[in-house]
Amino acid sequence: DAGVIQSPRHEVTEMGQEVTLRCKPISGHNSLFWYRQTMMRGLELLIYFNNNVPIDDSGMPEDRFSAKMPNASFSTLKIQPSEPRDSAVYFCASSTSGTSGRGEQFFGPGTRLTVL
Amino acid sequence: AQSVTQLDSHVSVSEGTPVLLRCNYSSSYSPSLFWYVQHPNKGLQLLLKYTSAATLVKGINGFEAEFKKSETSFHLTKPSAHMSDAAEYFCVVSDGTGGFKTIFGAGTRLFVKA
Repeated sequence: DAGVIQSPRHEVTEMGQEVTLRCKPISGHNSLFWYRQTMMRGLELLIYFNNNVPIDDSGMPEDRFSAKMPNASFSTLKIQPSEPRDSAVYFCASSTSGTSGRGEQFFGPGTRLTVL
Repeated sequence: AQSVTQLDSHVSVSEGTPVLLRCNYSSSYSPSLFWYVQHPNKGLQLLLKYTSAATLVKGINGFEAEFKKSETSFHLTKPSAHMSDAAEYFCVVSDGTGGFKTIFGAGTRLFVKA
């Protein structure tokens, strides 16, 4: 099993540009999570999906952020327009949550985003 | 509502000495508890998990944690630290309320001195 796959691994862009981060969860997992990690704020949950449906997006910072999961094997996190304060490492994780939501999460390697 | 507090932001130990990373949680229901480790510039990896079975949980790399309901604690321990244990450790609580949300602690950075 390849694990959770994220692309790109590194992204450098200029302020105002659109950024799209991609994630392929582990096959068979029905929950997908997007996190942001910074030195100042630590690890923050942005949004999570269950069975491709967004369950809680209360962690999404503002309208510039959007996430989609068109099918069970693919999700995107888009920032438009990007700002320097969006610079962070973005992690995607997946799990088999079941009805109790107690499944362990498997993390991807992360995408390091730098907005100049 | 659930929450998790890691009591130390940094812990420094000498190689070969015991490790103790402290975690307290708050949950309205029977929680699942996890410890994850993150090495520099890497993703998070599960060390161990508690899901209402045995209260003493053994994980990878010699780590273990004990669930103490009366103290609402889930401290992580290891008898003898190794240089490769230097990393950041996250305590995580999930009680399944509101769907499938989990709460991460702020993290404890472990330093291991030679």
